[in-house]
Amino acid sequence: AQSVAQPEDQVNVAEGNPLTVKCTYSVSGNPYLFWYVQYPNRGLQFLLKYITGDNLVKGSYGFEAEFNKSQTSFHLKKPSALVSDSALYFCAVRVPNLSSGTYKYIFGTGTRLKVLA
Amino acid sequence: GAGVSQTPSNKVTEKGKYVELRCDPISGHTALYWYRQSLGQGPEFLIYFQGTGAADDSGLPNDRFFAVRPEGSVSTLKIQRTERGDSAVYLCASSLSLAGASGTGELFFGEGSRLTVL
Repeated sequence: AQSVAQPEDQVNVAEGNPLTVKCTYSVSGNPYLFWYVQYPNRGLQFLLKYITGDNLVKGSYGFEAEFNKSQTSFHLKKPSALVSDSALYFCAVRVPNLSSGTYKYIFGTGTRLKVLA
Repeated sequence: GAGVSQTPSNKVTEKGKYVELRCDPISGHTALYWYRQSLGQGPEFLIYFQGTGAADDSGLPNDRFFAVRPEGSVSTLKIQRTERGDSAVYLCASSLSLAGASGTGELFFGEGSRLTVL
């Protein structure tokens, strides 16, 4: 079955330190990979995506993510965390639905990032 | 506004009642998704529209759930005979196009409709 795993429910990091939020996936083919952020009582906001090319992709608010095909991972990173980065982060993968010729997005369960001042 | 708009933002209803949740996507976006997010969980796919037609409704949990998009823009998610287990945040997202390899791929989400069934 196709799936996305975020092994950490919560990540705590001190402000100014680097952060990593982990994501692994299990899909066939070459998926599109995404990270979204959700602030309290808000919808999900797009951060960045990987489609093809350079394994390190840069996105909004100084975030970046590294695609590793052999490890089927797409970890989110930021060199220096801010208190305002505290939020819920979701990894997602876009996979084709071969029977309908459409695409479906599968989301992980989310990781709560807490940046401590 | 320029974003995806969902109404109502909050809906409290009694078990057995009928509810409708509305989504107004970004103008020009042909692809529209409905997701359900329970507390502590990631978004769970419900249904996908490409234009007016439901291209994939495999995520609808049972026949109490139905969604329409009659003119290819606004969509309504309809839940009949609500149950307490239907309580969740219902998210709508739109995108330019997901047909083939075209489109940039990212979804634009509304702020959700929080449904509470008592």
